[in-house]
Amino acid sequence: NAGVTQTPKFQVLKTGQSMTLQCAQDMNHNSMYWYRQDPGMGLRLIYYSASEGTTDKGEVPNGYNVSRLNKREFSLRLESAAPSQTSVYFCASRDLYSYEQYFGPGTRLTVT
Amino acid sequence: KNQVEQSPQSLIILEGKNCTLQCNYTVSPFSNLRWYKQDTGRGPVSLTIMTFSENTKSNGRYTATLDADTKQSSLHITASQLSDSASYICVVSAKGTYKYIFGTGTRLKVLA
Repeated sequence: NAGVTQTPKFQVLKTGQSMTLQCAQDMNHNSMYWYRQDPGMGLRLIYYSASEGTTDKGEVPNGYNVSRLNKREFSLRLESAAPSQTSVYFCASRDLYSYEQYFGPGTRLTVT
Repeated sequence: KNQVEQSPQSLIILEGKNCTLQCNYTVSPFSNLRWYKQDTGRGPVSLTIMTFSENTKSNGRYTATLDADTKQSSLHITASQLSDSASYICVVSAKGTYKYIFGTGTRLKVLA
């Protein structure tokens, strides 16, 4: 039981490049989230997926797209990376009954 | 505006000492409040969760309190250990929403 896994752990991109951050959970949770964490700020919600096939924008969705491939996987795509997207990205899934969120280990992204 | 504020921003204590971290929130209508521990380079891990009707919750050496009237919570750490060195994040969610409002965290360092 791995919980929430994320790949890659680290990534360096040049401005304008694209990439996809992968997230998977094996806890059979319906809800999944993508957050970014910047120094001096709380985690901010980028996108949310209540269930397979549904996605909603969060607080800071600009420059990102998501895909809920199936119940297990929720990916985050940067189409044209910008230095402002340098951050640590966390994926989380939520237990329906306890409302508990479980976080992945994070992806540290640097855009130069 | 829904907000969560934590104090102090950072704290240094000696091993074996106790400490208390504070969280004030303006989230309404209130659903639940959680405290997370985030080790450097890792995702947040849940310590406690409290609903409106609960005013104290313990998890080992961690005890959280909630005063829903004054919209304040505290996390008390007893007999601190070196492994308690981490950021502690207060998170509040509102009723009827999937969103979580994160505080910026208190960075705790425990010295030998």
